[in-house]
Amino acid sequence: QKEVEQNSGPLSVPEGAIASLNCTYSDRVSQSFFWYRQYSGKSPELIMSIYSNGDKEDGRFTAQLNKASQYVSLLIRDSQPSDSATYLCAISGYSTLTFGKGTMLLVSP
Amino acid sequence: DTGVSQDPRHKITKRGQNVTFRCDPISEHNRLYWYRQTLGQGPEFLTYFQNEAQLEKSRLLSDRFSAERPKGSFSTLEIQRTEQGDSAMYLCAYRVDTQYFGPGTRLTVL
Repeated sequence: QKEVEQNSGPLSVPEGAIASLNCTYSDRVSQSFFWYRQYSGKSPELIMSIYSNGDKEDGRFTAQLNKASQYVSLLIRDSQPSDSATYLCAISGYSTLTFGKGTMLLVSP
Repeated sequence: DTGVSQDPRHKITKRGQNVTFRCDPISEHNRLYWYRQTLGQGPEFLTYFQNEAQLEKSRLLSDRFSAERPKGSFSTLEIQRTEQGDSAMYLCAYRVDTQYFGPGTRLTVL
């Protein structure tokens, strides 16, 4: 059974700082990894996907994947109050997604 | 613009009643997924369709739950004899390169 572990937080950072969100997973077969952002009362929104070891950058977001350590992270540079949300890590095997419980991020002005 | 619409957006029902939710893709999507998300948890997979065929069902999908996608377009999820534990956000997702979620239906069972 696949498991995805995230620190539930909240992770509090000041505006302009780097927020670092971490995720570990149990299934070595997983090939695809995703970060979703979820605002309170809304549905998850995909912000990053990563498929191979290393870093992937998109604007202020950087996803990092280490398959040997079964670890994936998300860095948010220049954090803004609008980044305050729950960040969900998800892994995919053949077809379905397995999610962690999410980490709440709070960015204070 | 999420690629799928869901109806209703909110549903309040009494325990024991049946409810049905609908997911409509805005454009053709071969794969449609249903997930359930309870408070403080990530979404949990329920079932998915490839066109009209239901290819996989989670053990979470008890006998009280049934899903259909009759013509490979819209999909419905029905819950019979609702229980308070069914209170959750029910999410429909479609897949292009990866999965994108609709706005969800929030169910409250009193």
